[in-house]
Amino acid sequence: QAQLVQSGAEVKKPGASVRLSCKTSGYNFADFYIHWLRQAPGHRLQWMGWINPNSGATNYEQRFQGRVTMTGDTSSNTAYMELRRLRSDDTAVYFCARDRVPHYDVLTGPPDYWGQGTLVTVSS
Amino acid sequence: EIVLTQSPATLSSSPGEGVTLSCRTSHVVSSLYLAWYQQKPGQAPRLLIYGASNRASGVPDRFSGSGSGTDFTLTISRLEPEDFAVYYCHQYSGYTFGQGTKVETK
Repeated sequence: QAQLVQSGAEVKKPGASVRLSCKTSGYNFADFYIHWLRQAPGHRLQWMGWINPNSGATNYEQRFQGRVTMTGDTSSNTAYMELRRLRSDDTAVYFCARDRVPHYDVLTGPPDYWGQGTLVTVSS
Repeated sequence: EIVLTQSPATLSSSPGEGVTLSCRTSHVVSSLYLAWYQQKPGQAPRLLIYGASNRASGVPDRFSGSGSGTDFTLTISRLEPEDFAVYYCHQYSGYTFGQGTKVETK
């Protein structure tokens, strides 16, 4: 059974950066994309991008291009997401989630196993 | 961007009753790339349905999905107390979500 455990809550000032971690277990980390998503109060879930831990390839949602970096460490089976130049509207719960199918499969997704979420609060 | 619109926003029902949730997409979405999630307060979403009609592992058969093109449906045949939650549709060719339908106790 796959498990994803995320790092703890963060409080940041506008303009700062935040780096979140997502430690995985119970499956071969290199075989499945890791997605990052967020959920702001009163807003629908928003997909931020994915990383292929095997190759390091990434695919970012256009609105986050230039502000986000997703990485993966296969030695510790951990994914990371850094978001820079934080604004108050980045306040949200951030989730990592594993894709349902291996990256070498013909089909893709959706995310099936999710982390518990990390609350990021951006406030001056 | 493909916009997903769910209806109703809130659905009031009782245990034992059946309910139907709707998800309409702004452009045609392949059935291969339509999913449904359940979310309870303070929890991460739980995958229920993928490929429009395939139940995820461990999901009870009272949950079923259907639809094609721009109209998709999640049906819960007989509500159990643990089914009262928010449900989201999701298209994963472009990764957008609906705004959710809250199923609450009447």
